[in-house]
Amino acid sequence: DIVMTQSPDSLAVSLGERATINCKSSQSLLYSSNTNNHLAWYQQKPGQPPKLLIYWASTRESGVPDRFRGSGSGTDFTLTISSVQAEDVAIYYCQHYYNTPPAFGQGTRVEIK
Amino acid sequence: QVQLVQSGPEVKKPGSSVKVSCKASGANFKRHAISWVRQAPGQGLEWMGGIIPIFGAPNYGQKFLGRVTISTDESTSTAYMELSSLRSEDTAMYYCARVNDTVILTGYYSTWGQGTLVTVSS
Repeated sequence: DIVMTQSPDSLAVSLGERATINCKSSQSLLYSSNTNNHLAWYQQKPGQPPKLLIYWASTRESGVPDRFRGSGSGTDFTLTISSVQAEDVAIYYCQHYYNTPPAFGQGTRVEIK
Repeated sequence: QVQLVQSGPEVKKPGSSVKVSCKASGANFKRHAISWVRQAPGQGLEWMGGIIPIFGAPNYGQKFLGRVTISTDESTSTAYMELSSLRSEDTAMYYCARVNDTVILTGYYSTWGQGTLVTVSS
């Protein structure tokens, strides 16, 4: 099974500052047949289900603000929030969907400093 | 717009079973896999298993083999997850989620149910 590891576990950033969350997979998520990385990012706020932010490692879901950016390839991926807003306080998860079973990282909590 | 609406909270005794439903609105129920993901209090997300309704054969996570049964009723566009031999560690929020792409078991989830809290307590 592919294991997903996020870092850091939590981070505190000032309003308007950049937040960077890393996600590492135990094997490559790049499918040679379609040159896509099978990696998604979700945001979860208290009492809510996860919300899809990014898929195929860098494609923003419709309606997601452009301050959220996904990057990376192979085994190393990054979610960047370019200018953190108060409403971005949440836990962020990466998820691979390269094969079965899919798996999530342990989550990264983003707080305001 | 697709929506997934789950059944209400449950309180169960250890050793019993629980069955959670997930009703889908919108088209193409048969062709989109439904996964079940659980989240224990204060913990992360754990994939339990999934099913593509048109094929009907579920796939389960290793941890849940023998205890979980996932099924669908195409006539009502509803998916079900039944977990047996419940123990306190099964206390969690259980989510259904729809794979965005069609006729693949594993994908990214653009639609989630609101969650069903299952509490296991004597």
